[in-house]
Order: sequence, then C-alpha cells, then structure tokens
Amino acid sequence: GNSVTQMEGPVTLSEEAFLTINCTYTATGYPSLFWYVQYPGEGLQLLLKATKADDKGSNKGFEATYRKETTSFHLEKGSVQVSDSAVYFCALSEESGGSNYKLTFGKGTLLTVNP
Amino acid sequence: DTGVSQDPRHKITKRGQNVTFRCDPISEHNRLYWYRQTLGQGPEFLTYFQNEAQLEKSRLLSDRFSAERPKGSFSTLEIQRTEQGDSAMYLCATKDRDNQPQHFGDGTRLSIL
Repeated sequence: GNSVTQMEGPVTLSEEAFLTINCTYTATGYPSLFWYVQYPGEGLQLLLKATKADDKGSNKGFEATYRKETTSFHLEKGSVQVSDSAVYFCALSEESGGSNYKLTFGKGTLLTVNP
Repeated sequence: DTGVSQDPRHKITKRGQNVTFRCDPISEHNRLYWYRQTLGQGPEFLTYFQNEAQLEKSRLLSDRFSAERPKGSFSTLEIQRTEQGDSAMYLCATKDRDNQPQHFGDGTRLSIL
C-alpha cells in the first residue's frame, strides 16, 4: 500500500532561518505529491503540489521538488517567518484509475518560528 | 467560492450517544471525502463519494459509522453508540476534476466524555 514518512518534529527555528522538512513516500503507481499546512484550530490548506517527476511546486517562498529516484518531496524555505508556525503535512494521491484520488498523509511536522 | 463548510465545529457528547456531522462542499464539486485526524497524527481516509454514490469505504469505517450524500451536494457522517476512541477531528474535503487538489473544511472536533 501507499505510505508517507515525514521528519519527526517538533522543529524550532529563529526567524529568517532556513527550513527543510524531509518527506519520503512509497506508492504502487505514479502519485501526485502535496504539502498541506494546518494552523491551530483550522483545517488543512494546500501549500504546494507536484504531479510528476522533477516537477517543482512552489508557493509563498516554500518549494519542493518531486524526486522519483529517491522517492522524496522535501519542503524547503530560505527564510522563515513567525507566521509560518504551523503543522506541515506531506501527502500523496494516486492518480491512476480506481484510486479515487484519496490522500495518504504523513504524521505531520510541527514548526515553531521564534522572533 | 465560499469554501467547504462543516457543522458543528465542536461536539461534546457522552459515550454511547449518537452524533451527526454535516459537510457542505464548494459549489459544483462532485467529489467528497471524509477523513479522521487524531491528536498528533495525519488525517486518515474514511470514505469517498462521487456525486451521490459512495464509491469507497476504509476499513476504519466500522459498522457504527454511516455516511450519506443524498442529492450529491451536502454530506452527513453519523456515528452511533460513540466510544472514547471516536474522539478526533473529522475533516471533509471536496474537489471537482481529476487533476485538481482537494479543498478541506475546518473540521468538526468530537470529544467523548
């Protein structure tokens, strides 16, 4: 079956530090990959996505590249802000017929950015 | 778009009671998903609807759980005879086309006393 493994948290950084959150996956087919962010008391918001190998998703200064050879989709940001404090989830969706496009999530990584 | 709407936001109930949650999708989103998220974990898939048809159910969805989407618009998730282990955040997500991402509501947090 499909699975997603994320870097264990929590991660605590100072403002303007560089962020990396590692994510690797196992899938039987050709998945699309996603990063979602969850702020306290809220649902999940899509941060970025990539649908095929070597695609780079980017949004709000965050980037992640779909690496098929290493089955990875690591999240990076060059300079974090206090407002980036949240829980980040890596997820995959099988895009082949019969999968119904349901999402498989990692356990999440709590990021705290201090001023 | 008004976004995916879930009601109620919070539900506190005694063990053994029945509860029902509602999800209103983004207009014209024909695909609807329910997920369950326990503390410190990522969401786990429960069930999937395409229009009014329930096309997939996870093994997590015991026979105490039932979901409906009678007219292909809003959906309800009912839990009968609630147990302590049902305490979680229940998330609804919807999408329209194959290559589009899922949009999530803010969830219903269920607490069992």
